[in-house]
Amino acid sequence: RKEVEQDPGPFNVPEGATVAFNCTYSNSASQSFFWYRQDCRKEPKLLMSVYSSGNEDGRFTAQLNRASQYISLLIRDSKLSDSATYLCVVEKAGGTSYGKLTFGQGTILTVHP
Amino acid sequence: NAGVMQNPRHLVRRRGQEARLRCSPMKGHSHVYWYRQLPEEGLKFMVYLQKENIIDESGMPKERFSAEFPKEGPSILRIQQVVRGDSAAYFCASSPPSDYQYEQYFGPGTRLTVT
Repeated sequence: RKEVEQDPGPFNVPEGATVAFNCTYSNSASQSFFWYRQDCRKEPKLLMSVYSSGNEDGRFTAQLNRASQYISLLIRDSKLSDSATYLCVVEKAGGTSYGKLTFGQGTILTVHP
Repeated sequence: NAGVMQNPRHLVRRRGQEARLRCSPMKGHSHVYWYRQLPEEGLKFMVYLQKENIIDESGMPKERFSAEFPKEGPSILRIQQVVRGDSAAYFCASSPPSDYQYEQYFGPGTRLTVT
């Protein structure tokens, strides 16, 4: 089983749509969680950290369920510029895994006019 | 405040040559991480360094790969005797010293092509 698994996608949605991505992780010792986005052949860019209480940043809402080891990202009112690959990322602090990020394979989102 | 800088952005090497990839972290960041993204694959952790120390190299191939982050100057990822399978995008990330979540910021990457 992969350490971080995401919806296979791709997602193809019209502008203005709401889209949700899911992610599960296998290591219960994981402590920090993030969503990154990666545009074609470019570096990953931090979208948002994910907290147990859930957090929102404009049109983006992230949720974490530690009991189910499940992370989600909701994008409301999709824009063309949201088209990218969305990466679910976990980090297990402490010991030799300190600072090591584990990435999911990514989910491709295409927003069309 | 400049972001993470990597150079070169593109590097072409013949099989058997050496590749040196450089990374300068963001100002104020003392932690550097290297990741590799093979074609059509996700990013994989390689190594985590602080100044003059390798903290975690669990993702580094056992042979031909080495990394350093000297007291002065950029972090270097060195690949000796490159093979075609080393062709990939190599990303460096940095983060500030922190006891909390380690938000890592990535550089633009070096795309290595081995011919």
